[in-house]
Amino acid sequence: QSVLTQPPSVSAAPGQKVIISCSGSSSNIDNNYVSWYQQLPGTAPKLLIYDNNKRPSGIPDRFSGSKSGTSATLGITGLQTGDEADYYCGTWDSSLSAGVFGGGTNLTVL
Amino acid sequence: EVQLLESGGGLVQPGGSLRLSCAASGFTFSSYAMSWVRQAPGKGLEWVSAISASGGSIYYADSVKGRFTISRDNSKNTLYLQMNSLSPEDTAVYYCAKYGGSSPHYYGMDVWGQGTTVTVSS
Repeated sequence: QSVLTQPPSVSAAPGQKVIISCSGSSSNIDNNYVSWYQQLPGTAPKLLIYDNNKRPSGIPDRFSGSKSGTSATLGITGLQTGDEADYYCGTWDSSLSAGVFGGGTNLTVL
Repeated sequence: EVQLLESGGGLVQPGGSLRLSCAASGFTFSSYAMSWVRQAPGKGLEWVSAISASGGSIYYADSVKGRFTISRDNSKNTLYLQMNSLSPEDTAVYYCAKYGGSSPHYYGMDVWGQGTTVTVSS
């Protein structure tokens, strides 16, 4: 079981918006920065969001992140078929003194 | 171009050892924390270990503590993972990843290697 909890799957139609949740605790999300990663099939993960809501250069503003207390969310607007991937949240856990990931959410754009 | 290139994966028997390497290029290696993340077949990402930019702070997941050792040689721009007492549960693709800062607490992992496969089986 992952320390961070994500829904196993979400789906939405092209052009629509989807939100992926990530639930944690006071030892991780509540007191540390959250990152989000996209993993396209057969490829290495890619950083989408860091420090809760910042986008690396080259990441379109269709992707956004937010955090409130022990939960974080990734929002994707204007969905495209190329967005179909697994999405992971990650953060530091101060009690474990270790990094932690969510179990991942598979996005289907149908 | 910023790049991470892992090597050292392969097939090993249970109880055996392997040493993974990650060669970095295109950035000032000594300024950034580094990590190893693994992904078992059909499973999600699992954070394994991290090391600060200077090498002075090291962290491990409970699942590998006491068996794996992370290290870095800033003069060679290379990250290592020594894996001992391997079990089938360690079978995974192992990714090397760069953090965006000198500590693993901030900035996320902004550069990833292509991964190297470790298979533990008799």
